[in-house]
Amino acid sequence: DARVTQTPRHKVTEMGQEVTMRCQPILGHNTVFWYRQTMMQGLELLAYFRNRAPLDDSGMPKDRFSAEMPDATLATLKIQPSEPRDSAVYFCASGLPNMYYEQYFGPGTRLTVT
Amino acid sequence: DAKTTQPPSMDCAEGRAANLPCNHSTISGNEYVYWYRQIHSQGPQYIIHGLKNNETNEMASLIITEDRKSSTLILPHATLRDTAVYYCIVRAYSGNTPLVFGKGTRLSVIA
Repeated sequence: DARVTQTPRHKVTEMGQEVTMRCQPILGHNTVFWYRQTMMQGLELLAYFRNRAPLDDSGMPKDRFSAEMPDATLATLKIQPSEPRDSAVYFCASGLPNMYYEQYFGPGTRLTVT
Repeated sequence: DAKTTQPPSMDCAEGRAANLPCNHSTISGNEYVYWYRQIHSQGPQYIIHGLKNNETNEMASLIITEDRKSSTLILPHATLRDTAVYYCIVRAYSGNTPLVFGKGTRLSVIA
């Protein structure tokens, strides 16, 4: 059963530290999304890639967040330096550019910045 | 901004049909209606989508009104495991583009 995997599942860090979250999309999926979920804002898009190229990262705070796809099997989201307001659940999703195709979400990384 | 309006919460008795409404009065001709759900602490899960015809799959049925300004997701025999937040999303097809989530409907299935 193909799944999107995310690591770590939980991360607690202190303000100012660097945080790296990883996502392994479903094999063969060429579109990868990063979403963030908070109680206040709900689910919102941070960035997405197709064929490893960024298509939209307008949802990310550019000064501290960066998203990359080093290869087709790995997507990373980094926060440097982290702040308490970054505390949230970060979801990765993958899919194909097909009108009949849905997005598959990973289990999320729960980040707490103290 | 989300283009849909959903009730914030609903209850449903276990074994009964759950009918979740969604208003999308400004939907464009090329926009599809998608439904996702999020069970507590999990990532969202795709349920079903449609353009103008009613759709059915193993999870649910989607009924879209003729004017396409509203739709209803039907879970025919709700179970406790269907307790979740259900999101109705409209978007144009242009190749698996990002989802814009609203607040959704929190469905509680009661034994």
